Amino acid sequence: AQSVTQLDSQVPVFEEAPVELRCNYSSSVSVYLFWYVQYPNQGLQLLLKYLSGSTLVKGINGFEAEFNKSQTSFHLRKPSVHISDTAEYFCAVSEKAGYSTLTFGKGTMLLVSP
Amino acid sequence: NAGVTQTPKFRVLKTGQSMTLLCAQDMNHEYMYWYRQDPGMGLRLIHYSVGEGTTAKGEVPDGYNVSRLKKQNFLLGLESAAPSQTSVYFCASGGELLPANEQFFGPGTRLTVL
Repeated sequence: AQSVTQLDSQVPVFEEAPVELRCNYSSSVSVYLFWYVQYPNQGLQLLLKYLSGSTLVKGINGFEAEFNKSQTSFHLRKPSVHISDTAEYFCAVSEKAGYSTLTFGKGTMLLVSP
Repeated sequence: NAGVTQTPKFRVLKTGQSMTLLCAQDMNHEYMYWYRQDPGMGLRLIHYSVGEGTTAKGEVPDGYNVSRLKKQNFLLGLESAAPSQTSVYFCASGGELLPANEQFFGPGTRLTVL
């Protein structure tokens, strides 16, 4: 079975600063990886996904993530954050073998202040 | 397209009462899911369905029942609500043609059990 660990429950950052949200996963087989964003009082929205190929994945709103198989990580980055990026971010994994449900991490709250 | 919709948006129950949450999707997706979200716990899968007339248990199924009589609808029932079921409930859908089990989420139902 797969599992996801998001290493930080909360990340405070100033506007226009860079940010990295960390995600590590565990699985005995190859995986697909996702980052979802949840703005206050809303549902989850897909930010980006890694399926195969290039390990650097670009998503919406200027976010990108890098898949590192040897370190079993999929960290999310943005070079310059805005106040509007304040939200909760969830890393998720599903296994490539057959049908697999999504397993989510516990989330990281990104707090951007002026 | 409305995407994934959930009814109701808010509900307050007393312990022991029953209720049904309705999820509807208009994307002709095969797969549908019910999650609960609790602070610091991320999203946990309650039940899911891989097609009309099918259901399966997720990570936290106790105290809940589901039905998928029509492809576009997925109902979540609480037969005898308990305070531990106070949570935000999210429905999601996904399709066989979508890569890697990508899911689309509804806006959520906030349930309080007193």
